Amino acid sequence: QVQLVQSGAEVKKPGSSVKVSCKASGGTFNNYAINWVRQAPGQGLEWMGRITPIFGTPNYARKFQGRVTIIADESTNTAYMELSSLRSEDTAVFFCARDSPTVVDGAFDIWGQGTMVTVSS
Amino acid sequence: QSVLTQPPSASGTPGQRVTLSCSGSSPNIGSNTVNWYQQLPGTAPKLLVYSNNLRPSGVPDRFSGSKSGTSASLAISGLQSEDEADYYCATWDDSLNGWVFGGGTKLTVL
Repeated sequence: QVQLVQSGAEVKKPGSSVKVSCKASGGTFNNYAINWVRQAPGQGLEWMGRITPIFGTPNYARKFQGRVTIIADESTNTAYMELSSLRSEDTAVFFCARDSPTVVDGAFDIWGQGTMVTVSS
Repeated sequence: QSVLTQPPSASGTPGQRVTLSCSGSSPNIGSNTVNWYQQLPGTAPKLLVYSNNLRPSGVPDRFSGSKSGTSASLAISGLQSEDEADYYCATWDDSLNGWVFGGGTKLTVL
């Protein structure tokens, strides 16, 4: 059974960047997309973008375009999400989630545990 | 504000049936299937219903989803205290070319 294990909590200064990793253990992630979802404290879920490693080309939510970079390293079964020009409003938990390879229309069936990113001067 | 609209809160008593709504528009719910996620406090979301009305293995049949036009619903029957959680609807949006979520409904079991 695939598990997604994310990197640990981060504290960043405004204007800096953060890079969060998401490693698939118990399997590979070549044939499905890895999505990134943001959740600000006390707020809802917000999709940031995704990448399907075998295709390599990510697509991003318009809101984050220009500020987010999502890549995948097939050799280590790890996906990364980098968010730049951080501001206090980016303080949130960031989740990676697998797009189920068996659901035709897509659904996030496996989630990472979440990574808390705090942006503070 | 979220592309999909959900009431911020709902409540019910144990054993009761509650229905949570999710309203969208033509490019999202009107054109694609809807998924529902349950998020218990302090945990990652969990897939509850996919493709409008299908349940992943292990999800009790007390949870059922439906869709009509540009709206979707999640019904929970035989409400239990452990159902107290946040519930999110989600679907693909053809105009935005991305996934969109509702703002979430916080369900309280009285």
